[in-house]
Amino acid sequence: EPEVTQTPSHQVTQMGQEVILRCVPISNHLYFYWYRQILGQKVEFLVSFYNNEISEKSEIFDDQFSVERPDGSNFTLKIRSTKLEDSAMYFCASSELGGGGTGELFFGEGSRLTVL
Amino acid sequence: GENVEQHPSTLSVQEGDSAVIKCTYSDSASNYFPWYKQELGKGPQLIIDIRSNVGEKKDQRIAVTLNKTAKHFSLHITETQPEDSAVYFCAAYQAGTALIFGKGTTLSVSS
Repeated sequence: EPEVTQTPSHQVTQMGQEVILRCVPISNHLYFYWYRQILGQKVEFLVSFYNNEISEKSEIFDDQFSVERPDGSNFTLKIRSTKLEDSAMYFCASSELGGGGTGELFFGEGSRLTVL
Repeated sequence: GENVEQHPSTLSVQEGDSAVIKCTYSDSASNYFPWYKQELGKGPQLIIDIRSNVGEKKDQRIAVTLNKTAKHFSLHITETQPEDSAVYFCAAYQAGTALIFGKGTTLSVSS
């Protein structure tokens, strides 16, 4: 069964360092998302991406964050200068169709980011 | 924007009992309501969903109901089993926007 894969599974970094989290969405999917989940809290929307551009972003997704799809398969989330409060599990998700279609999001297993 | 409230935050049941989790949403334009199950250390997985043109949907032991007028929807799990123990998230989605999650319900099924 096709799945969304994420790397790394866990990254520890020092405050102020740049971090790149990588995702390989399901191959025929067109919509890509990043969500984060601070330990014990709800899953929060960060950004959605379609047709090589951001389609929506939340208040959390400030200038420290960026996303890109550098090639036909990877979808990356970059945090330029990490803060302690960026420590969370980051989930990538993809869907074949947007809200007008099935809308079903398939999630990866997450990348745990720990900022020291 | 959309806001999703979910209750209860924790739910403990005996094996074989039923479990009900309730959610409300704020934006009447939302038209797709999935439920996700998250097991420890894993990403959320879709277990059932419902669209706004349907009032109820069932898949074996799980069912979801939707009341568009009241803007609430519920997950029902019957004949619970220990493997149902997980965190369950409801979510609301509308065309052109993002999937917004509730805060989650930790379900514990004891045998």
